[in-house]
Amino acid sequence: DAGVIQSPRHEVTEMGQEVTLRCKPISGHNSLFWYRQTMMRGLELLIYFNNNVPIDDSGMPEDRFSAKMPNASFSTLKIQPSEPRDSAVYFCASSYRRGGETQYFGPGTRLLVL
Amino acid sequence: GQQLNQSPQSMFIQEGEDVSMNCTSSSIFNTWLWYKQDPGEGPVLLIALYKAGELTSNGRLTAQFGITRKDSFLNISASIPSDVGIYFCAGQSFNKFYFGSGTKLNVKP
Repeated sequence: DAGVIQSPRHEVTEMGQEVTLRCKPISGHNSLFWYRQTMMRGLELLIYFNNNVPIDDSGMPEDRFSAKMPNASFSTLKIQPSEPRDSAVYFCASSYRRGGETQYFGPGTRLLVL
Repeated sequence: GQQLNQSPQSMFIQEGEDVSMNCTSSSIFNTWLWYKQDPGEGPVLLIALYKAGELTSNGRLTAQFGITRKDSFLNISASIPSDVGIYFCAGQSFNKFYFGSGTKLNVKP
């Protein structure tokens, strides 16, 4: 199993630039989640999709953040324009329901906005 | 939103000792998950619990889904240096997962 795949693993950009994070969930998983992790706030759910449809985006910080899932094997999280306070580790996770819900994380994208 | 209280926040133990950590919530969950996160990595799933009262082991790790569905604990027996890391609990309700703030485990050889 390849696991959840995220790219890039590291991103350094300047304030005002557009950032696009990518995720490939585990094949057969029907839910996909985007999280942000910081020392101050821990793991925060940004948005999740079920069967490619956004179900809950209440965690998306503001309009600068957007996420898409055009098909079952790909999702993007875009920040435009980026700000220094967006610096964090962004995780993608996918889950399936087989008796119960089980969620698996990708390795994360470490974003630094200067 | 739903909150999970995870304790302790950090632990310093000697190699060979047993460890216990727990999570409590005011809300009921359908699933409890326990993860370990190493520096620079994503959380790795250790144990998944799906039924109230369920007790599950994974090697030296044992976790239980509380009868009230509002709590769970994780025990690590005979700790070793590679157990060092941050352990997170997560409760699942209505397709969403809610995470505890983590327990940072330090093991002295």
